[in-house]
Amino acid sequence: EVQLLQSGGDLVQPGGSLRLSCAASQFTFSIYAMAWVRQAPGKGLEWVSTIGTDIRETFYADSVKGRFTVSRDNSKNTLSLQMNSLRAEDTAIYYCVKGWQMESWGQGTLVTVSS
Amino acid sequence: DVVMTQSPLSLPVTLGQSASISCRSSQSLVHSDGSTYLHWFQQRPGQSPRRLIYRVADRDFGVPDRFSGSGSGTDFTLKISRVEAEDAGIYYCVQGTYWPRTFGQGTKVEIK
Repeated sequence: EVQLLQSGGDLVQPGGSLRLSCAASQFTFSIYAMAWVRQAPGKGLEWVSTIGTDIRETFYADSVKGRFTVSRDNSKNTLSLQMNSLRAEDTAIYYCVKGWQMESWGQGTLVTVSS
Repeated sequence: DVVMTQSPLSLPVTLGQSASISCRSSQSLVHSDGSTYLHWFQQRPGQSPRRLIYRVADRDFGVPDRFSGSGSGTDFTLKISRVEAEDAGIYYCVQGTYWPRTFGQGTKVEIK
């Protein structure tokens, strides 16, 4: 069974930075695109970013472009999301997601941006 | 951006009855490769989303055949036959044809 173990969520001040990680197992990580999707408290789902199997292939929502950077380390089966210049509206549960078409999801990690 | 519009946003259903959720996109979801990347997700309270249906009508592994998807172009439907208590939750459609990926607002299914 696919495992996506997430970590890194925390309370951070506006303007601060945070790095989320997702450790993948039980599938061949290197041949799958990976994504991040977030959910603000009590709200719906919002796609954030996707990285292809080629690390040069990245896509971002306009709301995070220029502030967030997605990356992957195929040698460690790890997906990361570096989040800079955080805003209150970035407060959400962040999900690590497998595949171009979002076939499997991690357990989520909570990011709270507040002073 | 492609706008995904779900209806209804709230759906009370009696156990054993059927339920249908509509999802409409602001433009055709047919990809240049010929596939239509419209998927359905279920999110039970306190849980991560789970994909139920991909490419309009294909059920994911382990999804009961009570769940079915249909539609084409810009108009799609998720049907739940013989609703069970475990089907309570929020259902989302998402398009995977264009960037950025966009979700519907979600439909809350409540079991009466």
